Amino acid sequence: DVVMTQSPLSLPVTLGQPASISCRSSQSLVHSDGNTYLNWFQQRPGQSPRRLIYKVSNRDSGVPDRFSGSGSGTDFTLKISRVEAEDVGVYYCMQGTHWPPLTFGGGTKVEIK
Amino acid sequence: EVQLVESGGGLVKPGGSLRLSCAASGFTFSSYSMNWVRQAPGKGLEWVSSISSSSSYIYYADSVKGRFTISRDNAKNSLYLQMNSLRAEDTAVYYCARSPVDYWGQGTLVTVSS
Repeated sequence: DVVMTQSPLSLPVTLGQPASISCRSSQSLVHSDGNTYLNWFQQRPGQSPRRLIYKVSNRDSGVPDRFSGSGSGTDFTLKISRVEAEDVGVYYCMQGTHWPPLTFGGGTKVEIK
Repeated sequence: EVQLVESGGGLVKPGGSLRLSCAASGFTFSSYSMNWVRQAPGKGLEWVSSISSSSSYIYYADSVKGRFTISRDNAKNSLYLQMNSLRAEDTAVYYCARSPVDYWGQGTLVTVSS
């Protein structure tokens, strides 16, 4: 199974400042069809997860453009250009290239300093 | 608007059974594979099971294989998870999610405790 490793575990950020979350996979996430199935999810306190980014860098509808995804192969990054109060929550990466099983990172908790 | 509404959670004793349901609306249910994902209290996300649009392909996590059964009824726009031989470690919020894991329901809590 592909292991997804996120860092940091916790990310205190000042409002208006950038934030960056790393996600590494135990093997390349490039699918034989040429796509890389790496998604990012946001889970606000008390809510269900919400997909933010799919296939590395594609923002879902309604997701603010301060969120961006990048990376390739085994190394991926979610960036928030200017953190707002509503961004507080836990962020997860997930791979869908080598499944089953779908596998998630352990999560990164974003909080305001 | 895509909506997924889970139901059927509750408190059950170890070794007991429970059947979860997920009612789908706002999209052509019969065209999409579906998934169950769970989250233990205070923990991360764990994929449980997936089923293809016509039920031809079904997959389970090793942790639930042989105990859980996923199914769907396209005529009723519904997804199910039959959970047998429940263990304390199955305690979690169970979410249904449309493939490719883009939309999630609000979840239903399953507590396995004596």
